[in-house]
Amino acid sequence: SQTIHQWPATLVQPVGSPLSLECTVEGTSNPNLYWYRQAAGRGLQLLFYSVGIGQISSEVPQNLSASRPQDRQFILSSKKLLLSDSGFYLCACKTGGNTEAFFGQGTRLTVV
Amino acid sequence: AQTVTQSQPEMSVQEAETVTLSCTYDTSENNYYLFWYKQPPSRQMILVIRQEAYKQQNATENRFSVNFQKAAKSFSLKISDSQLGDTAMYFCAFIGDSNYQLIWGAGTKLIIKP
Repeated sequence: SQTIHQWPATLVQPVGSPLSLECTVEGTSNPNLYWYRQAAGRGLQLLFYSVGIGQISSEVPQNLSASRPQDRQFILSSKKLLLSDSGFYLCACKTGGNTEAFFGQGTRLTVV
Repeated sequence: AQTVTQSQPEMSVQEAETVTLSCTYDTSENNYYLFWYKQPPSRQMILVIRQEAYKQQNATENRFSVNFQKAAKSFSLKISDSQLGDTAMYFCAFIGDSNYQLIWGAGTKLIIKP
């Protein structure tokens, strides 16, 4: 079965600083990969998804970008963080077809 | 557009009671999957149960079962003999044949009281 590694678990960054969150997947190949953001007590907001290396679809215009340099690696980045970028970020993976998604443990980002 | 609606923002029950969480969805697709995920205070997302739309039999996983009504586009989750560890946010999700991504409900916060 798939294993999703996501790090760091917690991050405190000043406004205007860069961001790089990394997600790697084990146990499958050519997965669909996703970045979600979740406000406290709220639902999931899809930020980006990728169906293959170098293929990124953005769902919400924002201060963030994503990249997929390798089949099982998905990176969420920002050049300059805003206060509004604070939140809980989840990486998810699914294989093709109508299968369920598996999630990493999440990153709690606080921009100060 | 495909949507998933969870109409109960928060529910609470006593330990050992049975509780049902509601979920409705809207789609024009005929083949799709439905899921319930649990997110405890640790915020790890955990798959609870899945249902294939072409299967008439309701899915069951130990104390968790669903009532899938395809014509009504309803997919409720029943938790029997609730335990303190069931306290969590519960999310209903949908994916159709033409989708790359899951469509999510807003979640229901379930509190199990001792």
